[in-house]
Amino acid sequence: GAGVSQTPSNKVTEKGKYVELRCDPISGHTALYWYRQSLGQGPEFLIYFQGTGAADDSGLPNDRFFAVRPEGSVSTLKIQRTERGDSAVYLCASSFTAWTEAFFGQGTRLTVV
Amino acid sequence: KQEVTQIPAALSVPEGENLVLNCSFTDSAIYNLQWFRQDPGKGLTSLLLIQSSQREQTSGRLNASLDKSSGRSTLYIAASQPGDSATYLCASLHQAGTALIFGKGTTLSVSS
Repeated sequence: GAGVSQTPSNKVTEKGKYVELRCDPISGHTALYWYRQSLGQGPEFLIYFQGTGAADDSGLPNDRFFAVRPEGSVSTLKIQRTERGDSAVYLCASSFTAWTEAFFGQGTRLTVV
Repeated sequence: KQEVTQIPAALSVPEGENLVLNCSFTDSAIYNLQWFRQDPGKGLTSLLLIQSSQREQTSGRLNASLDKSSGRSTLYIAASQPGDSATYLCASLHQAGTALIFGKGTTLSVSS
């Protein structure tokens, strides 16, 4: 596609529920990143994929968070047993390779009530 | 651990003024540094990417410089316009890292 696409743009869920956030990277980009941004803060790294594999998941806050990229393109970030503290904007980015310019999607605003 | 700091946190200027946004990073062993713009409620738009071997990059009214030895980068905006109002974020990619490390951003307001 022309840019990085994230769906949904907004998600409101109840505490304890499971959510999935989707990211469609730019076609041909092998590197894909998930970040989380809280109000007034810069994005914080969650996980990095090179192709299908998670090359670095050191930013995932706990085992309730999980992400997949089964075919090396679309990625899904999965959050189990959501907590109010998970409320944030989740940003996805892709780049041609790990060391090249990163392009971001519009983000998914997650609100846990 | 790489830390990125942006000063000032907020800046208000009248239209037409030239301005400089500052970014500092603690570890000079970076691979590249990228400047982004973020409008309220939106994602990040890439403005400029500077490789570690470069000193500056220019795009239109924007000029970004990099001084690895001092751990600093600046974004210069010439002849500011109200449409430049946004939050500007810098992020560094450390040589030993795999992802960009961001500052908290500078929120710029340009009044007409």
